[in-house]
Amino acid sequence: NAGVTQTPKFQVLKTGQSMTLQCAQDMNHEYMSWYRQDPGMGLRLIHYSVGAGITDQGEVPNGYNVSRSTTEDFPLRLLSAAPSQTSVYFCASSPGTGGIYEQYFGPGTRLTVT
Amino acid sequence: GQQVMQIPQYQHVQEGEDFTTYCNSSTTLSNIQWYKQRPGGHPVFLIQLVKSGEVKKQKRLTFQFGEAKKNSSLHITATQTTDVGTYFCANSGGYQKVTFGTGTKLQVIP
Repeated sequence: NAGVTQTPKFQVLKTGQSMTLQCAQDMNHEYMSWYRQDPGMGLRLIHYSVGAGITDQGEVPNGYNVSRSTTEDFPLRLLSAAPSQTSVYFCASSPGTGGIYEQYFGPGTRLTVT
Repeated sequence: GQQVMQIPQYQHVQEGEDFTTYCNSSTTLSNIQWYKQRPGGHPVFLIQLVKSGEVKKQKRLTFQFGEAKKNSSLHITATQTTDVGTYFCANSGGYQKVTFGTGTKLQVIP
């Protein structure tokens, strides 16, 4: 199993550009989430999904869109990049069974917006 | 998940010394999870606690969940350089909406 994979690893965008961060998991997990990590701020939840076709907002959803057409994939779209979106983005998945909320994280995407 | 505050933000210890990080909430938590993130890496799940007063051990790591389920701690005995990283507590309020604490960054001086 590859676990949770994310692409790209690094990305530089200009203000106003759009892009999609890819996330895929091969563990058949129902739950998937996107977080951003900024120095001193911990991990903040952007969007999450409890299954294919179902998504919901987290703490900091503005400027981001998600969709979940399959169990495996959960892409994150930046609509119009802003310098405030410079961050490290982590995708995570969780089996969501038996009351265990263990999250498996991908390696992250380091995004810089200039 | 509910808001969780974590202290301290940073901790420097001499190798061999003990280390403790604390996670506090103003409301009752249904569960608490702990993660470790090595420098440049991604968070890795360590453990989940769900019962009042629960104590779990993993080698030199001891995890506690308070009696009132409003606080938790992670204690490392006799730190090693391999313990370096940031430790996060997290809470799931249901439907996998997990809220993370701000983390404690541990530096171990050899």
